[in-house]
Amino acid sequence: DVKVTQSSRYLVKRTGEKVFLECVQDMDHENMFWYRQDPGLGLRLIYFSYDVKMKEKGDIPEGYSVSREKKERFSLILESASTNQTSMYLCASSLPGHQETQYFGPGTRLLVL
Amino acid sequence: DAKTTQPNSMESNEEEPVHLPCNHSTISGTDYIHWYRQLPSQGPEYVIHGLTSNVNNRMASLAIAEDRKSSTLILHRATLRDAAVYYCIPGGNAGNMLTFGGGTRLMVKP
Repeated sequence: DVKVTQSSRYLVKRTGEKVFLECVQDMDHENMFWYRQDPGLGLRLIYFSYDVKMKEKGDIPEGYSVSREKKERFSLILESASTNQTSMYLCASSLPGHQETQYFGPGTRLLVL
Repeated sequence: DAKTTQPNSMESNEEEPVHLPCNHSTISGTDYIHWYRQLPSQGPEYVIHGLTSNVNNRMASLAIAEDRKSSTLILHRATLRDAAVYYCIPGGNAGNMLTFGGGTRLMVKP
């Protein structure tokens, strides 16, 4: 069974802290994605990666960076967390050329105080 | 991206069929129609996708209108576990990202 895991289900951080959200997939997928989900705004793409060490900006990359050092792991980094980054963060992966069929993790609910 | 219109919410009784509609009148000729659902406190889950012909899998059926401007996701026998937000997402088969709209919140009554 395919599996995407995220390091934490719930996280509480303070404004200005550096935050790492980790995502691991065991399906050998080349593509990985980070979204955030907010009420009334749906899912919005932050960053994605087509391969190790490759990254592309999504629709809302400001305030975020990513790291893909290994194929199975895609990290989202909040360099200096702010309260408007309080959100549900979802990681997903897919096969190359099949970005429309994505497998999602359970999500990390981040609260920035 | 093609614009979609889905009802905000729908209700169904357990064990009955559910038809979830989606209008995508601006869909391009090469766009597939994807359906995802999101159970409470979980990430979205792929349900089904199709291009022109009706499609069936173990989770659901997808009926696509002949002009492709609308589609219907069919759950043949709703269970309480099917209570979720269902997203209809037109998109290309390669290179295009998923764009999730508001979806339809399905409530299933025992």
